[in-house]
Amino acid sequence: QVQLVESGGGVVQPGRSLRLPCAASGFTVSGYDMHWVRQAPGKGLEWVATISYVGINGISEYYADSVEGRFNISRDSSKNRLYLQMSSLTVDDTAVYYCARERVGGCFDYWGQGTLVTVSS
Amino acid sequence: SYVLTQPTSVSVAPGKTATIPCGGTNIGSKSVHWYQQKPGQAPVVVIFNDADRPSGIPERFSGSNSGNTASLAISRVGAGDEADYYCQVWDSSSGHRIFGGGTKLTVL
Repeated sequence: QVQLVESGGGVVQPGRSLRLPCAASGFTVSGYDMHWVRQAPGKGLEWVATISYVGINGISEYYADSVEGRFNISRDSSKNRLYLQMSSLTVDDTAVYYCARERVGGCFDYWGQGTLVTVSS
Repeated sequence: SYVLTQPTSVSVAPGKTATIPCGGTNIGSKSVHWYQQKPGQAPVVVIFNDADRPSGIPERFSGSNSGNTASLAISRVGAGDEADYYCQVWDSSSGHRIFGGGTKLTVL
């Protein structure tokens, strides 16, 4: 049974850093494109970052313009976990952060329950 | 960067068909996915690759995609279909995944 469980959310001051883990079960994270998607309070979904599956061409990472240079997506295959390292946080980064798996062919077929990150002084 | 445009809200009477559009430049050349999100819950995919339904999604949900508009149709709408609906594509030129702004479906 596929399951994704995020953790690590909480209240953090502007300018600080935070790392969000996402524990996966029922599949291997290295075999799929994995993503972080966020949703600010009362707002829509915003794609944040992607790490590609481990293919013959290596691994690719992609970031939304709003987080490029501040966020880093990574994966620990030994622990079957996905991570989002967030730095230089601003109030605009306040959101529920979801990790999601991408089905072969493109859609996000499994999502975690989300973890709330609040950036506030 | 690629932009997807959805109406903020759509209202429909019970038992009728709701249609939610998603506009984008030449979106017909891309694969479009649709997600349903109810309050306090994670999104759930209801249509993928323009018109395919995941297992467990009722046949009342259907999708189409041509030209500059993709659409999600929900027939025989009931109160349980009230939710936010999002379209999504992959922008191959940037590698980015793009979401539409979302449409709130209200059953009158």
